[in-house]
Amino acid sequence: SQQGEEDPQALSIQEGENATMNCSYKTSINNLQWYRQNSGRGLVHLILIRSNEREKHSGRLRVTLDTSKKSSSLLITASRAADTASYFCATDAGSKLTFGKGITLSVRP
Amino acid sequence: DAGVIQSPRHEVTEMGQEVTLRCKPISGHDYLFWYRQTMMRGLELLIYFNNNVPIDDSGMPEDRFSAKMPNASFSTLKIQPSEPRDSAVYFCASSPIPGQPQHFGDGTRLSIL
Repeated sequence: SQQGEEDPQALSIQEGENATMNCSYKTSINNLQWYRQNSGRGLVHLILIRSNEREKHSGRLRVTLDTSKKSSSLLITASRAADTASYFCATDAGSKLTFGKGITLSVRP
Repeated sequence: DAGVIQSPRHEVTEMGQEVTLRCKPISGHDYLFWYRQTMMRGLELLIYFNNNVPIDDSGMPEDRFSAKMPNASFSTLKIQPSEPRDSAVYFCASSPIPGQPQHFGDGTRLSIL
């Protein structure tokens, strides 16, 4: 079964708004990663947060991790039409990653 | 630097035919991963290699699937015989260290008729 589960499954927002996506997982992890996938392309790594970190920023991205609740959130601020894509969380508990099924984000111009 | 390169990008073939998917990882990356993506099951890890050696093939669905990595710059995923339920997008990814960000190719979209 999938380790990470994202929520919501789909999100539609207006350009300029913030987008918040959530991920829950089941077992202990070394780190949690977020990826983006544009239509017809491979996944692209966005950000990695280690199990001993609580928050991390990268440009317009902000990721939080709550290991007690086994959950993470990805916030995209001031969204753009180009942010339209699927977003995946992936958990690392060893040498391999386990991906959720993804969130489809649509940003309307 | 060139990213992970997969070929072909699209493959359409008839049921029962042999299918070979190819991957060139990023130079210097010791880990190579093969994934399958479908709407129903999401992204599934099929097999991964470390220094050309298969480490975990527990995700390979059945004996019809096989993967090889004859050298550090090339890997193949073979399906023989192919079946319609194998239709999916197959991705190859590589990373320098386990658990670290993986770099994905653009995938092979496989359709078995």
